[in-house]
Amino acid sequence: QITLKESGPALVKPTQTLALTCTFSGFSLSTSGQGVGWIRQPPGKALEWLALIYWDEDKRYSPSLRSRLTVTKDTSKNQVVLTMTNMGPVDTATYYCAHRSPLGSGGYYFDYWGQGTLVTVSS
Amino acid sequence: SYELTQPPSVSVSPGQTASITCSGEKLGDKSAYWYQQKSGQSPVVVIYQDSKRPSGIPERFSGSNSGNTATLTISGTQAMDEADYYCQAWDSSTAVYVFGTGTKVTVL
Repeated sequence: QITLKESGPALVKPTQTLALTCTFSGFSLSTSGQGVGWIRQPPGKALEWLALIYWDEDKRYSPSLRSRLTVTKDTSKNQVVLTMTNMGPVDTATYYCAHRSPLGSGGYYFDYWGQGTLVTVSS
Repeated sequence: SYELTQPPSVSVSPGQTASITCSGEKLGDKSAYWYQQKSGQSPVVVIYQDSKRPSGIPERFSGSNSGNTATLTISGTQAMDEADYYCQAWDSSTAVYVFGTGTKVTVL
């Protein structure tokens, strides 16, 4: 059974850097084909894909946010960390981490999601 | 960058059919995925690879994808289907994931 859970600060100040941790179980990010992504959703708005890290350290980022995002993994801890620099009020959102379905199981979508964590950017 | 556009809202009477469209350039050449998100909950995939249903998803959910449009169809819509629905695709040219603008389905 695959589970994921996001953790991090609920409140950050403008210009600060946000660091969120996704702790998962039920799969290993050292196994070929595995990937973990980050998606956010501002209150009342649509989902927005942010980043994804693959088992082989390949990393992909949203073109519009690439300069502000970094995603890393700690395979031994079953964790993925997303950092976003220069936070502003428009970055207020629920941030989700999600498991990317292996290619043999349908491929390029997210089959398991965390519960999400609300991050508010305010001074 | 690649974009997916959905109608903001769709209304349907109980027992009737709801169709939600997702438009993107040459979307039919890619695979389309659909998520259901109920209020206060995380998204759940209801259709993958254009028309496949994950285990546990009712048969009333179906999907198609051709040309520039993917469509999610809910047949015999029930009150429990009231939710926001998002399409998603993977742009192979840039290896990035894209979500649609979202559609709120209201069961009147």
